Amino acid sequence: EPEVTQTPSHQVTQMGQEVILRCVPISNHLYFYWYRQILGQKVEFLVSFYNNEISEKSEIFDDQFSVERPDGSNFTLKIRSTKLEDSAMYFCASGWSYEQYFGPGTRLTVT
Amino acid sequence: GNSVTQMEGPVTLSEEAFLTINCTYTATGYPSLFWYVQYPGEGLQLLLKATKADDKGSNKGFEATYRKETTSFHLEKGSVQVSDSAVYFCALRGGGTSYGKLTFGQGTILTVHP
Repeated sequence: EPEVTQTPSHQVTQMGQEVILRCVPISNHLYFYWYRQILGQKVEFLVSFYNNEISEKSEIFDDQFSVERPDGSNFTLKIRSTKLEDSAMYFCASGWSYEQYFGPGTRLTVT
Repeated sequence: GNSVTQMEGPVTLSEEAFLTINCTYTATGYPSLFWYVQYPGEGLQLLLKATKADDKGSNKGFEATYRKETTSFHLEKGSVQVSDSAVYFCALRGGGTSYGKLTFGQGTILTVHP
């Protein structure tokens, strides 16, 4: 059964560094998403992406964040200058209709 | 804006016990409702869904009914197993599109003992 994959599973970075989180969505899906979950808190929506552009973004998704689908298969989330408060589990999801399929997540730790 | 509230956890049950995890929501329009499950070390998996009022979603013995009058979507299972131990998330997607963002509840940890 096709699944969403994410790499790396765990990323440790220093404050101020740039990080890129990678996702490979399910191949025939059209809509792509990033969510995050800070430890002990709710899963929060960051951004959705359709037809090679952002379709919706949350207040969290400020100028420090960007997304890209560089080659038609990968979907990346970049954080330009990480802050301590960016430490969280980041989930990628993809879908084509009502359902969204989630990857296993990347745990980002900013020190 | 949209919001989802789940019952406080964690929930601890013995095998074969009856499970209810309460979920209520606030939304404009006609949202779609979902339950996701997260097993240890894995991502969120869609467990069941309901896209309109009075729909019942069901999967793997779990059920939830979309109750517009009480704005609820409670998850139930008649007889839980140890393998059901996981975190359960209630979520909604606002009406109007089939691909919009999900709004999640805080998650409920379920532990089932033999």
